[in-house]
Amino acid sequence: QQQVKQSPQSLIVQKGGIPIINCAYENTAFDYFPWYQQFPGKGPALLIAIRPDVSEKKEGRFTISFNKSAKQFSLHIMDSQPGDSATYFCAADRSSSGSARQLTFGSGTQLTVLP
Amino acid sequence: NAGVTQTPKFQVLKTGQSMTLQCAQDMNHEYMSWYRQDPGMGLRLIHYSVGAGITDQGEVPNGYNVSRSTTEDFPLRLLSAAPSQTSVYFCASSWRPGQGIYTEAFFGQGTRLTVV
Repeated sequence: QQQVKQSPQSLIVQKGGIPIINCAYENTAFDYFPWYQQFPGKGPALLIAIRPDVSEKKEGRFTISFNKSAKQFSLHIMDSQPGDSATYFCAADRSSSGSARQLTFGSGTQLTVLP
Repeated sequence: NAGVTQTPKFQVLKTGQSMTLQCAQDMNHEYMSWYRQDPGMGLRLIHYSVGAGITDQGEVPNGYNVSRSTTEDFPLRLLSAAPSQTSVYFCASSWRPGQGIYTEAFFGQGTRLTVV
């Protein structure tokens, strides 16, 4: 059972467009929602993260929108550039046993920004 | 400061062979974890550790063992490799989370494993 559902699987936009990637979760125990960016041959790297008591967070050209009641969140990339072409993963973080925390990832979106 | 270092980068195993994937971090992070990445499935947690001597299972632990004898190292052992373990494996580390603060997971560059 996939706890974090991500769509679309792939996305192609023109340079300057605004790609939007959507995620939905079921477990209300999640208390942080990060997005990771992965380039080919590299490990994922943190892009931006949001807490569920915040409806929007911006960092540069990247914006997370969060809808707690709908249990959905999305990533918007403003003025997208070819260098943004990568795989994007949404994730959800929660406490587990003891002091541990567990990060659950969505299935990923492969973004291609055409020049 | 190398961050998280994984070795080897590529490996081909025959069914039934065993091997150890190495992971080392030089950031003095308490938390370390192993994920596998498969097409269309994102990253799934195999095992994790909250400190030296403490490990626990994640979502897909079967067929894998871990140990954490030092803060720096967190090796992943495949006991008897199976084709279903063909995947890209990522090690990650992070600080112990503070109250109300998300602590970033730093990932290594991955090990691409093929079991034939």
